[in-house]
Amino acid sequence: DSGVTQTPKHLITATGQRVTLRCSPRSGDLSVYWYQQSLDQGLQFLIQYYNGEERAKGNILERFSAQQFPDLHSELNLSSLELGDSALYFCASSPRDNSPLHFGNGTRLTVT
Amino acid sequence: QKEVEQDPGPLSVPEGAIVSLNCTYSNSAFQYFMWYRQYSRKGPELLMYTYSSGNKEDGRFTAQVDKSSKYISLFIRDSQPSDSATYLCAGLIQGAQKLVFGQGTRLTINP
Repeated sequence: DSGVTQTPKHLITATGQRVTLRCSPRSGDLSVYWYQQSLDQGLQFLIQYYNGEERAKGNILERFSAQQFPDLHSELNLSSLELGDSALYFCASSPRDNSPLHFGNGTRLTVT
Repeated sequence: QKEVEQDPGPLSVPEGAIVSLNCTYSNSAFQYFMWYRQYSRKGPELLMYTYSSGNKEDGRFTAQVDKSSKYISLFIRDSQPSDSATYLCAGLIQGAQKLVFGQGTRLTINP
């Protein structure tokens, strides 16, 4: 168990809808990262937060947004969902720069 | 060109064999390298974490980094069926926040 908790485990929704994925980092970790994993693209970095502030942005669509709260948990919001957004979404956390990331078990999103 | 290239396999070997998994990378700014193992329906699990060039050993696992050729390797000795998983290599630029992953290699160890 990595100590990173993600909910829900599975999510099935329709195109055009909006969903929120939640992540609780490991105790003491200030950084939270969001990754998307699909069969054809592999693990793609979306966004990182450090102690409540956005730190780095990757290939995150404008329809997607995230935030990190004072208790350090994070939420990833996906809106106007398309079929192509179906993927595994992983959250990871780390205590500081240059330290390895520890991943949760992901949320499997299916858009129908 | 992807920053980290990895043969997706699949790779199938008999139990007890030595497994060699490899990646190449294009970004010379990578300083930290990691190997993750991912079982089906699970998140990636950190196996090895190395800084710059050299070898690192942990039990049956050895990670090698050759920065001159931009080549990363993971060796698994005395492979077990429980090692069957997808193995992901990744690189990180010092001070940067984005860990860049290879596509992953699916490995099966046959009893």
